[in-house]
Order: sequence, then C-alpha cells, then structure tokens
Amino acid sequence: EAGVVQSPRYKIIEKKQPVAFWCNPISGHNTLYWYLQNLGQGPELLIRYENEEAVDDSQLPKDRFSAERLKGVDSTLKIQPAELGDSAVYLCASSLNTGAQETQYFGPGTRLLVL
Amino acid sequence: GENVEQHPSTLSVQEGDSAVIKCTYSDSASNYFPWYKQELGKGPQLIIDIRSNVGEKKDQRIAVTLNKTAKHFSLHITETQPEDSAVYFCASQTGANNLFFGTGTRLTVIP
Repeated sequence: EAGVVQSPRYKIIEKKQPVAFWCNPISGHNTLYWYLQNLGQGPELLIRYENEEAVDDSQLPKDRFSAERLKGVDSTLKIQPAELGDSAVYLCASSLNTGAQETQYFGPGTRLLVL
Repeated sequence: GENVEQHPSTLSVQEGDSAVIKCTYSDSASNYFPWYKQELGKGPQLIIDIRSNVGEKKDQRIAVTLNKTAKHFSLHITETQPEDSAVYFCASQTGANNLFFGTGTRLTVIP
C-alpha cells in the first residue's frame, strides 16, 4: 500500500514569492493533517481536515497561509507571500478516524528554503 | 494547551547497550502516547504507542512505560543497533484531538 505522498520534496524560493505544497493521503484515510517542523523541533499542527472540512485551523497563520481539500482526498497548502521565517519542513499526515485514536502516518515532507 | 517535554535532547550509546528516553506531559486528560522515529530526510514513523489503560507495552527490542499519576512515559530500546540511530519524538493526544510532540531526542548508536 502506498504511503502519504508529498510534492515537491524540496523548494527554494525568494522571499515574497508564493509557494504551494501538495499532499496525497493514504487511500481511504478521511483525516488529513498539515504540520510545520522547524529544525531541531517536533512537528506542530497547522491544520486538520475531516474529509473536506477544516476542523482545526487555529494554528494556521491565515494572513499568509491557506489550505484546501476540495474533494476530501488530496490537499494543497499555500504560502503567499513567503517570508524568511517560513523556511522549514512541511509535513502531511493522514489517518483513518473512526472516533478513537488512530495512528497518523506521515509523508516525507517538503523542505522549504526561503532566501 | 498540552505541553510535552522530552529528555535528553541527544543520547549516545555503544552498540548493544540500552537507551532510555523520557517524556512528561501536562494535560491529565491525555490518554494516547505514540513514539515516532525520524530518519534524516524522512517523515516521522510510528514505532510504538501506548494508551492510558495500559502501564507497559513491548514490541521486540522496544518497550514503552506509562505512569499516569506522575504524567510521564518512557521509551526503552534494548540491544541497540546502528540502524536505531535517528531522532525520536514522543507525543500525547487527548481523545480524538490533536497530537502534541516533544522536541525530539537524537540517538546515536556507536558501533
């Protein structure tokens, strides 16, 4: 079974430019997460989707970050405009949420460098 | 919100020795505690987890213990091998809510 797929794996952009990340979760997983991982730190949740609905976006900086999961499968995370401090790894994870705690499976991440 | 602290931040052991990583959490309602291993350039991978109704769980060379009263849990790796070298993260979760991660422990197993 394929795992969580993310693209691109690496992205280098200049500050003030837009950037977008794409995630394809494990087939059948209804819950999708976007995490931010700074160097030497643990992942921090940005947004969580249950199917198409964003059920927790309290940590998403909405002035420059946006996300969507239109058909309840793939998701995109966008930053516009990017700032130097956005350089980090952006991780996508998915789980099959049955109401109990289910394992979150992570993708390999997108490493963003803002110059 | 939940606060998860993890120690040590780095750990070096000789091959064959044991490694122990400890975490504490603040929310007494937390009831699920997974451990993830992250290798360079990869995403975190679940290695073991424990729920609050269990005090200990073991899977081959890996074990996790949970002390709900003290609000701490630990990862134990026995007979360490070079391929165990990675960054390990603990996490906690309350109900079906979000995971909160520790700051990670970089484990180095010296051949």
